[in-house]
Amino acid sequence: EPEVTQTPSHQVTQMGQEVILRCVPISNHLYFYWYRQILGQKVEFLVSFYNNEISEKSEIFDDQFSVERPDGSNFTLKIRSTKLEDSAMYFCASSNARVYGYTFGSGTRLTVV
Amino acid sequence: ILNVEQSPQSLHVQEGDSTNFTCSFPSSNFYALHWYRWETAKSPEALFVMTLNGDEKKKGRISATLNTKEGYSYLYIKGSQPEDSATYLCAPNTGTASKLTFGTGTRLQVTL
Repeated sequence: EPEVTQTPSHQVTQMGQEVILRCVPISNHLYFYWYRQILGQKVEFLVSFYNNEISEKSEIFDDQFSVERPDGSNFTLKIRSTKLEDSAMYFCASSNARVYGYTFGSGTRLTVV
Repeated sequence: ILNVEQSPQSLHVQEGDSTNFTCSFPSSNFYALHWYRWETAKSPEALFVMTLNGDEKKKGRISATLNTKEGYSYLYIKGSQPEDSATYLCAPNTGTASKLTFGTGTRLQVTL
């Protein structure tokens, strides 16, 4: 069964450093997403991407965040200058349409120290 | 910000028990309601996507109903098994956006 792949599974970084979280969505999916879950809190939406551009973003997704689909297969989330409060599990997901369920990756646990 | 509530927060049942959880959400601008099962150390797995008022979907021992007018959905598990132990998340999709707003989840533990 096709799956969404995320790398790395864990990342520890120092505050102020840049991190890039990588995802390979399912190849024939059209919608791509990043979500995150801070420990003990709800899963929260960051950004959606469709037709090679951002279709929606949350208030969390400020200028420190960016997404790219550089080569038609990878989908990356970059955090330019990490803060302690960016520590969370970051999930990538893809779907074929709004009425289909998302396929989630297994997540990247980001720890900012 | 959409207010999505799930209850109970956690539930502990014995193998063979049947159980159900509730998801409530604002009924305005409704488009679809997603249910996911999230096992520890794994990624959330899609169970159902429901769009029509009165919709009922079934997958093995798990079923779900939807009331879009009053803004709630029920998830039922018949004859719970230990492998059903997971967090069950609901997430409505509203308006024209494709994003989901997740509830806090119901954590189910099934013991022998």
